[in-house]
Amino acid sequence: ETGVTQTPRHLVMGMTNKKSLKCEQHLGHNAMYWYKQSAKKPLELMFVYSLEERVENNSVPSRFSPECPNSSHLFLHLHTLQPEDSALYLCASSQGLESETQYFGPGTRLLVL
Amino acid sequence: AQKVTQAQTEISVVEKEDVTLDCVYETRDTTYYLFWYKQPPSGELVFLIRRNSFDEQNEISGRYSWNFQKSTSSFNFTITASQVVDSAVYFCALSLSGTYKYIFGTGTRLKVLA
Repeated sequence: ETGVTQTPRHLVMGMTNKKSLKCEQHLGHNAMYWYKQSAKKPLELMFVYSLEERVENNSVPSRFSPECPNSSHLFLHLHTLQPEDSALYLCASSQGLESETQYFGPGTRLLVL
Repeated sequence: AQKVTQAQTEISVVEKEDVTLDCVYETRDTTYYLFWYKQPPSGELVFLIRRNSFDEQNEISGRYSWNFQKSTSSFNFTITASQVVDSAVYFCALSLSGTYKYIFGTGTRLKVLA
């Protein structure tokens, strides 16, 4: 089974919609991450969770709301998004937080109209 | 401050050619880790290699090889006998010891033409 899965793979939403992105890791890792990848920009770290506790909230607007119910699942709840939020959202996991290799999922391509 | 530079924005080669992707990093820390990831059109970042700053041995894995040189702060990646399936964006990243933050380069898009 693929190490890190993400659903949906593609999402189109209006600015007034509410949607959620889901990430699941099957690697037995303790840390999970959300990244945003926009065209012509470096990957931006958004949130980090370790053992279900948030350890990083990298100045992300409140219209993005993460949730980590257990060490295998990570959600990103979206509401009232802007067109500039259109991007590829990548989830990753690692064994721990310190200098560990991060393993990425396939991403969700989000288009906000 | 830390920084990773991938000066090659896009490279095109013909199948079976060898190609080297450059990565230059900046850090004052003595303990750090370097990574390479491959991002095919599907979007997933595929982990290729992790190297710590104390291990300067070059690594070979099939058609892939990596040349780590601390003297020039470079961690270059060579694909031998390239194939169309190697077409992707390749990212180099730096992580300081004890942290989870990666400093990614801007990526090099490799196109391998049949």
